[in-house]
Amino acid sequence: DSGVTQTPKHLITATGQRVTLRCSPRSGDLSVYWYQQSLDQGLQFLIQYYNGEERAKGNILERFSAQQFPDLHSELNLSSLELGDSALYFCASSEGQVGSPLHFGNGTRLTVT
Amino acid sequence: GESVGLHLPTLSVQEGDNSIINCAYSNSASDYFIWYKQESGKGPQFIIDIRSNMDKRQGQRVTVLLNKTVKHLSLQIAATQPGDSAVYFCAENSRGGYQKVTFGTGTKLQVIP
Repeated sequence: DSGVTQTPKHLITATGQRVTLRCSPRSGDLSVYWYQQSLDQGLQFLIQYYNGEERAKGNILERFSAQQFPDLHSELNLSSLELGDSALYFCASSEGQVGSPLHFGNGTRLTVT
Repeated sequence: GESVGLHLPTLSVQEGDNSIINCAYSNSASDYFIWYKQESGKGPQFIIDIRSNMDKRQGQRVTVLLNKTVKHLSLQIAATQPGDSAVYFCAENSRGGYQKVTFGTGTKLQVIP
């Protein structure tokens, strides 16, 4: 068990809808990362937060947004969903410094129909 | 731009043999490298890491080799077991005041009993 909790585990929704994915980081970790993994693909970095502040942005669409709250949990909001947004969304947490490994949750599987 | 790539998408190994998974990186500013293992239905799990001032690091049945001259990273698994079957990702962590982790596309290791 990595200590990172993601909810929900599965999400099925229709095109055009909006969903929110939730992540609780490992106790003591200040940094949260969001990654997208499509079928048989690698992990595409979306966004990183450190202690409530955005630190880095990757290939995150404008339809997607995220935030990290004072209690350090994070939410990833996906809106105007398209079929191509169907993927596994992983949250990871770390202490935040270079050299501290990422600890991943088991992901949220999003299916857009 | 920076990229982390893997030489082989799939590797089949006989149980008991040694496995070698390779990874190339292009960002010379990377100073920390990590290998992750992702089993089906789970998030990536940290295996071993190495800093750029080292060229070899050993763990339990795993060894990571770093060749900065050719920007190459490898993961060696000794006496490969069925439980080692998974997708393996290398990741690089670049300097810059915050922790930016970029993942390669992954190599699927299949262990033949």
